[in-house]
Amino acid sequence: DAGITQSPRHKVTETGTPVTLRCHQTENHRYMYWYRQDPGHGLRLIHYSYGVKDTDKGEVSDGYSVSRSKTEDFLLTLESATSSQTSVYFCAISGDRDLSYEQYFGPGTRLTVT
Amino acid sequence: DQQVKQNSPSLSVQEGRISILNCDYTNSMFDYFLWYKKYPAEGPTFLISISSIKDKNEDGRFTVFLNKSAKHLSLHIVPSQPGDSAVYFCAASATSGYSTLTFGKGTMLLVSP
Repeated sequence: DAGITQSPRHKVTETGTPVTLRCHQTENHRYMYWYRQDPGHGLRLIHYSYGVKDTDKGEVSDGYSVSRSKTEDFLLTLESATSSQTSVYFCAISGDRDLSYEQYFGPGTRLTVT
Repeated sequence: DQQVKQNSPSLSVQEGRISILNCDYTNSMFDYFLWYKKYPAEGPTFLISISSIKDKNEDGRFTVFLNKSAKHLSLHIVPSQPGDSAVYFCAASATSGYSTLTFGKGTMLLVSP
């Protein structure tokens, strides 16, 4: 299994509060991704990173920001959480080839915004 | 605009029989296709992939078939086992366009003993 951890694994927060989710990898992979999974929508890309300090938006980036200051860590921040951001968030990594190929996923973070 | 479609939300199969999961795509630039399996409360795990230069790829009980003219791919699981019960996601990318993966909405497979 790829060495990917996510923290926290579960979080309940209130509307309007900031939330940061962390993804940590031990594979030294170049590419990292944040997805959300919702019923009826499958996996949707939020943001991705192609190197330290290099990030780009995905399909559903509104309301989210990311940062990558080290190869191993990719942070997802909800500046002001809303109930529509209640979801399961997955981090993924890929390395040897570019971002068009296999990605390996972390265990997920279940976020509930009340 | 859904570029990767899995039109069957669920599929039920008996143990030992064949499971066939289908996926259609609309973007003609897609040339690399993947299947992922996901158990509840876990992250998706990579299962098998196929490049558009092939029409079939096998890995044990899992075979993916690609029909480029129909923009259709399928995953065959033979024989199906109860442990195969999971959600299966199809994904696609355009490798020449440096694009990320686009996922379908998933199909839940239930294999009953």
